[in-house]
Amino acid sequence: SQQGEEDPQALSIQEGENATMNCSYKTSINNLQWYRQNSGRGLVHLILIRSNEREKHSGRLRVTLDTSKKSSSLLITASRAADTASYFCATVRTGEYGNKLVFGAGTILRVKS
Amino acid sequence: EAGVTQFPSHSVIEKGQTVTLRCDPISGHDNLYWYRRVMGKEIKFLLHFVKESKQDESGMPNNRFLAERTGGTYSTLKVQPAELEDSGVYFCASSLKTGPFTEAFFGQGTRLTVV
Repeated sequence: SQQGEEDPQALSIQEGENATMNCSYKTSINNLQWYRQNSGRGLVHLILIRSNEREKHSGRLRVTLDTSKKSSSLLITASRAADTASYFCATVRTGEYGNKLVFGAGTILRVKS
Repeated sequence: EAGVTQFPSHSVIEKGQTVTLRCDPISGHDNLYWYRRVMGKEIKFLLHFVKESKQDESGMPNNRFLAERTGGTYSTLKVQPAELEDSGVYFCASSLKTGPFTEAFFGQGTRLTVV
């Protein structure tokens, strides 16, 4: 079964506000990744956090990871209209045939200007 | 350096027709993946090529889907015959390696609409 359940499913905020999206997963992980998909465009890798890390920053992005709760959060600070997109968390599932990304359903973020 | 490119960007076909999607990975990337997102649901893994070989095709939904990667360069995903539930966005990704910390680069996707 798929894992990486994001919430909320949709989020609408004003430009300048912060946006927080959460992700839960079910199995043990090596790392958790966040991706963004703008309308009509492909998935863009945003940030990767390893299982032994608790927090990671990249520009206006802040990701936290709580392996005891099997959850992660993505915080976008000082949001901009250009941040409007769908955001997905993904975990790497290692199987018999190698590694593959397992995604959740995503959070649709709308930033109003 | 060119990224992963997919063609077409959008395809509208009738139920029962055949459609072929193409993916050109980043040059030198042996690993190529196909994913799809149906009806706003999660992005699901379809299959993984290492060069021209199918490493993992556990996500292929049924035998109406055929993926090929002749010569280990570009890949095609054929749906024949297409059904309404095949509508969605099909993503292709490539990576240099296949370890758990390897970044996968995605194309812009092909939006398939079956009517």
